[in-house]
Amino acid sequence: ETGVTQTPRHLVMGMTNKKSLKCEQHLGHNAMYWYKQSAKKPLELMFVYSLEERVENNSVPSRFSPECPNSSHLFLHLHTLQPEDSALYLCASSQDQAGGPDTQYFGPGTRLTVL
Amino acid sequence: GDSVTQMEGPVTLSEEAFLTINCTYTATGYPSLFWYVQYPGEGLQLLLKATKADDKGSNKGFEATYRKETTSFHLEKGSVQVSDSAVYFCALSGGAGRRALTFGSGTRLQVQP
Repeated sequence: ETGVTQTPRHLVMGMTNKKSLKCEQHLGHNAMYWYKQSAKKPLELMFVYSLEERVENNSVPSRFSPECPNSSHLFLHLHTLQPEDSALYLCASSQDQAGGPDTQYFGPGTRLTVL
Repeated sequence: GDSVTQMEGPVTLSEEAFLTINCTYTATGYPSLFWYVQYPGEGLQLLLKATKADDKGSNKGFEATYRKETTSFHLEKGSVQVSDSAVYFCALSGGAGRRALTFGSGTRLQVQP
């Protein structure tokens, strides 16, 4: 059971396409995250939004563009991707508190294949 | 920087065997520690957590104790089932004031009937 949903679950795109991944959280949290999970590599943080403001950006190529229009929604806009960008993209949310962030809850992920 | 080291997998066990998956960490500050589980084709699910030294997290028969003196958070279960087959990730948060989780590389568990 998860309060974080992601669409689409699977996406195949060519290198010249533009697509967007969507994440929605129903937990009332105020922070959202994008992670990338590639085969045989640890999960990599891409972006963090807190109160709809981007607070961390882990040197991600500009072909990935995040958008957080409100505290419940997070998008990842994709354009001119490379085959090595094929991965599972995971969204997460948490409640930022004075003492630091609380537990992160993950969505099921979008499996992206770039041809 | 922060880091998490997990034992290499896969770990293959027979049903009802005892499970230990080792996890050690390096962090500044006072991190919280987590175990997440990923079943085939799915995202990560929180399994258990501990927020301070000597805390024990537990869920679904799994346990892990936050050991500050050995910087460890080993996952244990007394009797595994086939349905426990998954990839297990140790993670920390809050180290060095960062929001994001730092993950280990994951350990695949295969339980045979």
